[in-house]
Amino acid sequence: DVKVTQSSRYLVKRTGEKVFLECVQDMDHENMFWYRQDPGLGLRLIYFSYDVKMKEKGDIPEGYSVSREKKERFSLILESASTNQTSMYLCASSLFGGGLAGVTDTQYFGPGTRLTVL
Amino acid sequence: GESVGLHLPTLSVQEGDNSIINCAYSNSASDYFIWYKQESGKGPQFIIDIRSNMDKRQGQRVTVLLNKTVKHLSLQIAATQPGDSAVYFCAESGNDMRFGAGTRLTVKP
Repeated sequence: DVKVTQSSRYLVKRTGEKVFLECVQDMDHENMFWYRQDPGLGLRLIYFSYDVKMKEKGDIPEGYSVSREKKERFSLILESASTNQTSMYLCASSLFGGGLAGVTDTQYFGPGTRLTVL
Repeated sequence: GESVGLHLPTLSVQEGDNSIINCAYSNSASDYFIWYKQESGKGPQFIIDIRSNMDKRQGQRVTVLLNKTVKHLSLQIAATQPGDSAVYFCAESGNDMRFGAGTRLTVKP
């Protein structure tokens, strides 16, 4: 079974803090994704990566950055957290690489990190 | 723009009944569709998928139907159980993957 883990289930930070969300997958997947999930809005793609050190902006990249130094690990960084970044953050991975072609493959999700910014 | 939507935000069924959750999509280029289940406090869990060259696919107690003519996708759950209570959402994939907001299924004992 694919296993995607996220470093924290719940996180509370203050406005202006730098926040790191970590995601690890153990199935040697090429693609990794970061989404945020808000009530009534569904999943919105923040960033994705189809290879080590490669990253692509999703629909809502503003205020976020990412890092993929190793294939199994994909980090989401909030440089200066703001209250409108309070949300559920979900990491996912999928098998295929090859840039956008890999986006169509089944994505497997982690348990999520509920971030509250005060 | 293109969108993925669900007809109903909530669905309540009696235990043992069949459930049908619907999803409309508007991108005619989408060729791959997935249903996910998300229980409270957990990440989405893959249930079943279907490619556009099929109109029906069955799993254990679940069936996905695809009607490309009207761009409609449905998830049928047979003999719904309390453990099926969750938010269900569809995803469509063409050039990228888009997710619906979800339908909350509640199973009454």
